[in-house]
Amino acid sequence: DAGVTQSPTHLIKTRGQQVTLRCSPISGHKSVSWYQQVLGQGPQFIFQYYEKEERGRGNFPDRFSARQFPNYSSELNVNALLLGDSALYLCASSRTSASYEQYFGPGTRLTVT
Amino acid sequence: QKEVEQNSGPLSVPEGAIASLNCTYSDRGSQSFFWYRQYSGKSPELIMFIYSNGDKEDGRFTAQLNKASQYVSLLIRDSQPSDSATYLCAGKAAGNKLTFGGGTRVLVKP
Repeated sequence: DAGVTQSPTHLIKTRGQQVTLRCSPISGHKSVSWYQQVLGQGPQFIFQYYEKEERGRGNFPDRFSARQFPNYSSELNVNALLLGDSALYLCASSRTSASYEQYFGPGTRLTVT
Repeated sequence: QKEVEQNSGPLSVPEGAIASLNCTYSDRGSQSFFWYRQYSGKSPELIMFIYSNGDKEDGRFTAQLNKASQYVSLLIRDSQPSDSATYLCAGKAAGNKLTFGGGTRVLVKP
């Protein structure tokens, strides 16, 4: 089975622009979580979606939003980009909203200039 | 105080030795704990998880949990150069939110 896929792999944006990141979970997994990992730090939780509903939100500004589609894929949107948004954005897939195992995709490296 | 704390390292270990990694957490609501390995430039890879006090072994890896002391550890036996990576400790309370520590960098020297 294919693992978690994310697109694009790399992205360069300018301050003030908007970006959309995409994630497809492992087949059979219905929950997707998004994390931001700044260089040298551990990942920080942004959102969790399960069955198209938001189940959790981390301490991120309203510039960050997400949604989940009927096929369980997900998008993360970030508006009005700041330099500090430069990070690796990780998507994690799990079977349910409370599964122990979460599997990460390869990530999207976002650079804001 | 960070919710999950790890020594950033690097932890230098000779090949074949045991690497011992430690993690402390402050949220007593955390019910399960996870160890992820992350190679430079790659995404985290789940090694194992533990939710009961005591030890849990999986191959060369042993996780230990002490909820009274709010302490989690990971032992890597017979360390190999391929084990050189950053090891992330994470705790989970309700739902699927993982709270990560900053990671410990491990260097296994041949």
